[in-house]
Amino acid sequence: SQKIEQNSEALNIQEGKTATLTCNYTNYSPAYLQWYRQDPGRGPVFLLLIRENEKEKRKERLKVTFDTTLKQSLFHITASQPADSATYLCALVISGYALNFGKGTSLLVTP
Amino acid sequence: DGGITQSPKYLFRKEGQNVTLSCEQNLNHDAMYWYRQDPGQGLRLIYYSQIVNDFQKGDIAEGYSVSREKKESFPLTVTSAQKNPTAFYLCASSIERGNEQFFGPGTRLTVL
Repeated sequence: SQKIEQNSEALNIQEGKTATLTCNYTNYSPAYLQWYRQDPGRGPVFLLLIRENEKEKRKERLKVTFDTTLKQSLFHITASQPADSATYLCALVISGYALNFGKGTSLLVTP
Repeated sequence: DGGITQSPKYLFRKEGQNVTLSCEQNLNHDAMYWYRQDPGQGLRLIYYSQIVNDFQKGDIAEGYSVSREKKESFPLTVTSAQKNPTAFYLCASSIERGNEQFFGPGTRLTVL
C-alpha cells in the first residue's frame, strides 16, 4: 500500500541552527512533492513545490531536495528562528488534483 | 483580499443530526477539496471537485456528502451515518493539477 512517512518525534533545535525534516514514501511515483507549514488550530500554508525532474529547490531560508531513487525528500530551514516552530507536512500529488499528506513533523526552535 | 473562508470556526451538534460546513473561495480556482484532520493523523481527503457540478470521493467519503453548484462554493454535509464525526475539517482550493493548495482556517466540529 502507499505510504508517506515523516518523523513522528518532534524535532527540537537551537535558534540559528539548520533544521532538517525528512519525508519518505513507498509505492508512489509522484510527479510533484509539496511542503506545507501548519500552526496549531489553523489551516496549512504552502511553502515549496518540487517536481520529479528537479533535485533541489530554494526559497529564502528554505531548501527542499527530492530523490526519486531513494524515494525521499529533505526539507531544510537554515538559520532557524523561534517563529519557525510549527508542524511541517509533506504531500504528494497522486491523481487528478488530489494530494496525499504525511502526518507531519513538529519543529520547536528554542532561543 | 482573496482567500478561502470557512464557517463557523467551532460547531457543536448532537449525535444523529446532519450538519453542513460552509466553504467559499474568491480565488477563481476550479478545484476544491475537503480534508479531515484528527490528532496524530495527517490530513485525509474526503471529497474533491475539479469543476462545477462534478466531484469525486476521496479516501474517507462514507458518511459525508458535497455539492458544487457554484465555482465559489463547496459545502460539506456530515451526515448521521458518519460514525466518528468529531474532527477538524479543512477546505482547500487550487488553480490546477499539482499546484499549491490554499487552505481555509478550518471548522472544528464536536458531536456531543
